[in-house]
Amino acid sequence: QKEVEQNSGPLSVPEGAIASLNCTYSDRVSQSFFWYRQYSGKSPELIMSIYSNGDKEDGRFTAQLNKASQYVSLLIRDSQPSDSATYLCAVNFLNSGYSTLTFGKGTMLLVSP
Amino acid sequence: EPEVTQTPSHQVTQMGQEVILRCVPISNHLYFYWYRQILGQKVEFLVSFYNNEISEKSEIFDDQFSVERPDGSNFTLKIRSTKLEDSAMYFCASSDGDNQPQHFGDGTRLSIL
Repeated sequence: QKEVEQNSGPLSVPEGAIASLNCTYSDRVSQSFFWYRQYSGKSPELIMSIYSNGDKEDGRFTAQLNKASQYVSLLIRDSQPSDSATYLCAVNFLNSGYSTLTFGKGTMLLVSP
Repeated sequence: EPEVTQTPSHQVTQMGQEVILRCVPISNHLYFYWYRQILGQKVEFLVSFYNNEISEKSEIFDDQFSVERPDGSNFTLKIRSTKLEDSAMYFCASSDGDNQPQHFGDGTRLSIL
């Protein structure tokens, strides 16, 4: 069973702090990893993609991937109240010919002013 | 910035009726997807479409569902004989490669009465 696991939260951090969101996945045959942000009642919005082990930084966001541990994380620096949303981890699992994107249930982040 | 557009934003249908959800993917994208999100639950993959045929489908995507690319811009999801449990948000997404980031439309909220 190919699964993506996330702590549902909520994760509460004060404004200006670093928020750390974690995700584990169950299958080793996976090639790409994504973080999406979803505001209540809205569609998933792509934040970061990461394909190889290590860190990838984009503005206030850093994605970290460790394929050996089947672990991917997202760090949000200088958290803002507008960052309050549900963060979805998604993994592209390779099937017979094409990959399918599997989402975790998401972690709710609350940033307090 | 190019975006995926979906119509209608909200569809209300009587149980047993057929519905067609419409999507216009990003113009230079070749891979198209449908996802479903039942209220309070995770985003679930339904089907992927490439080169005018289904490339992958999930267990959810049974004979009740079909997809079509009727012309060079639209991508549709048809649900026949709708059931109460089909009530959900349906998201269309597109990407420019099988393993590449997928960009989501705003979704269609389907309510079955």
